[in-house]
Amino acid sequence: SQQGEEDPQALSIQEGENATMNCSYKTSINNLQWYRQNSGRGLVHLILIRSNEREKHSGRLRVTLDTSKKSSSLLITASRAADTASYFCATDVGLAGSNYKLTFGKGTLLTVNP
Amino acid sequence: GAGVSQSPRYKVAKRGQDVALRCDPISGHVSLFWYQQALGQGPEFLTYFQNEAQLDKSGLPSDRFFAERPEGSVSTLKIQRTQQEDSAVYLCASRWTDSNEKLFFGSGTQLSVL
Repeated sequence: SQQGEEDPQALSIQEGENATMNCSYKTSINNLQWYRQNSGRGLVHLILIRSNEREKHSGRLRVTLDTSKKSSSLLITASRAADTASYFCATDVGLAGSNYKLTFGKGTLLTVNP
Repeated sequence: GAGVSQSPRYKVAKRGQDVALRCDPISGHVSLFWYQQALGQGPEFLTYFQNEAQLDKSGLPSDRFFAERPEGSVSTLKIQRTQQEDSAVYLCASRWTDSNEKLFFGSGTQLSVL
């Protein structure tokens, strides 16, 4: 079963526009991570936000976390065609003191049109 | 090596055949994960190793699936008597420890069972 749910399932925008993807999850987390996957490739880590953080930036990426609503958003500003990929949120859930189980959502397919 | 390496990249098996998928994690990484990714879905957790110890195999779909990491580095995921529903991309990922850290993914093995 998957802990996170991304929204929307698919998003198509023009180059230069901003893209926002949302993630909702069900249980308490230690941290939440966002990954990107290009077609036919493995996942690449983008950004990690801990449960006690509310916002984090990395280059053109901005992530927010609202633990009261159990949700996160990923904003990509000034999108480029090379940003076309699937984006997944993943939650790191502590189990019996060991926070190893990273659980992924179904992903958002982002298409950036040149 | 510089990254997580998986082999083979593609595997075609006839139904009923046994297959073995290999993962070479980043040198020194303690934690190793196997995920299964169906087309259009997010990665689903299969199993987790800390060094050579398999601490969680709760995601393995059936007793036909078996994973090992005998020396705490290279890992093999074995699927016996493959079925069509086993067709998926199998992803391996590793990281230094269990703490709040990102995963490094391999490119995956795409398994097609005919």
